Amino acid sequence: EAQVTQNPRYLITVTGKKLTVTCSQNMNHEYMSWYRQDPGLGLRQIYYSMNVEVTDKGDVPEGYKVSRKEKRNFPLILESPSPNQTSLYFCASSFPGQGSPLHFGNGTRLTVT
Amino acid sequence: AQSVTQPDIHITVSEGASLELRCNYSYGATPYLFWYVQSPGQGLQLLLKYFSGDTLVQGIKGFEAEFKRSQSSFNLRKPSVHWSDAAEYFCAVYGSNTGKLIFGQGTTLQVKP
Repeated sequence: EAQVTQNPRYLITVTGKKLTVTCSQNMNHEYMSWYRQDPGLGLRQIYYSMNVEVTDKGDVPEGYKVSRKEKRNFPLILESPSPNQTSLYFCASSFPGQGSPLHFGNGTRLTVT
Repeated sequence: AQSVTQPDIHITVSEGASLELRCNYSYGATPYLFWYVQSPGQGLQLLLKYFSGDTLVQGIKGFEAEFKRSQSSFNLRKPSVHWSDAAEYFCAVYGSNTGKLIFGQGTTLQVKP
């Protein structure tokens, strides 16, 4: 089944404790992206990757890192999480080009205390 | 600047009634427009998209949307709502000059029995 898989689904952590949210897709998509969803703000892009070893900042990249060593994986890294990073995170992927719809994972709800 | 506005944060309709969700965009050229739906605990799923041609586009689950350039709008409609349509709906615009997909704030649809 074609899908984008994120792990974990739920994560509670403390300020400053490094964490990684994994994202994997099995559709051979070149493009991958991370979003955060906050009430009243919709989805905002954190980072995206057009292909392996190519990553770029989105609209809200501060406090986050990503890597794209393999085509299928695009982990999101929070080196020192803070409470304002408490949010619902989505990974998405697609083929390149504006006509290609994004395929989303089921989300990771992160709480930083 | 490229932007999307969904004026209604929350809408409640009775089952069987018609539905219209509003979306207004700001973009200098002809945009690529999308509607996504997010069911509780799920990622976003593409409902429909508009690139060019016929301004009335059909999507999945009985939804349609109409592109009106003069009003900078791309409203989503459904003739008869089902209880399973309760979800959050996001309008999005892709700008070919920015290479970015920008989401609106979302509209939560509640369906009354």
